[in-house]
Amino acid sequence: DIQLTQSPSFLSASVGDRVTITCRASQGISSYLAWYQQKPGKAPKLLIFAASTLQSGVPSRFSGSGSGTEFTLTVYSLQPEDFATYFCQQLNSYPPTFGQGTRLEIK
Amino acid sequence: EVQLVGSGGGLVQPGGSLRLSCAASGFTFSSYWMHWVRQAPGKGLVWVSHINTDGSTTSYADSVKGRFTISRDNAKNTLYLQMNSLRAEDTAVYYCARRGYDILTGYYHFDYWGQGTLVTVSS
Repeated sequence: DIQLTQSPSFLSASVGDRVTITCRASQGISSYLAWYQQKPGKAPKLLIFAASTLQSGVPSRFSGSGSGTEFTLTVYSLQPEDFATYFCQQLNSYPPTFGQGTRLEIK
Repeated sequence: EVQLVGSGGGLVQPGGSLRLSCAASGFTFSSYWMHWVRQAPGKGLVWVSHINTDGSTTSYADSVKGRFTISRDNAKNTLYLQMNSLRAEDTAVYYCARRGYDILTGYYHFDYWGQGTLVTVSS
């Protein structure tokens, strides 16, 4: 199985900050990477797919990049509603696997 | 509006069985692959199973293979997960998710998720 390692696992930031989360794959996955946001008690929400394509309706302050084994999710100018947990997911091969998550909390 | 509504969770004893359902609406259910993903309390997301459009192809995580069975009824727009021989480590919120496909990029993703249904395995 392909392992995804996110860093950091925990992030503390302020409204207006720019933050970057990294996702590293144990082997190359081309651009078969998605990012999800999850708030407590809620289902995950798709933010980005194909490593850098913004899902319809997602604010443009979210941006994804990378290919192969290293990927990043950047949130420009954090808003109060962005404080949540973020997961990456690879869809290059079965089983589809997820990173362990990055919890973003307000400073 | 696309909606996935999960149900069927609850408290079950180790070794017991449970069947989860996921009712779909707002899209052509029979045209989409569907997945189950679970999340143990305070933990991350773990893929469980998938089924193709007509139910002829399925796959499972090693941890549930031989115990769980995914199925679908396209006439009822409903996805199922039959869970047998349940263990304490199966305790989790179970989400159904639709596999979306983007024509422009050619990439897949899980674009809609149900609200989740909690399964607790305990004596």
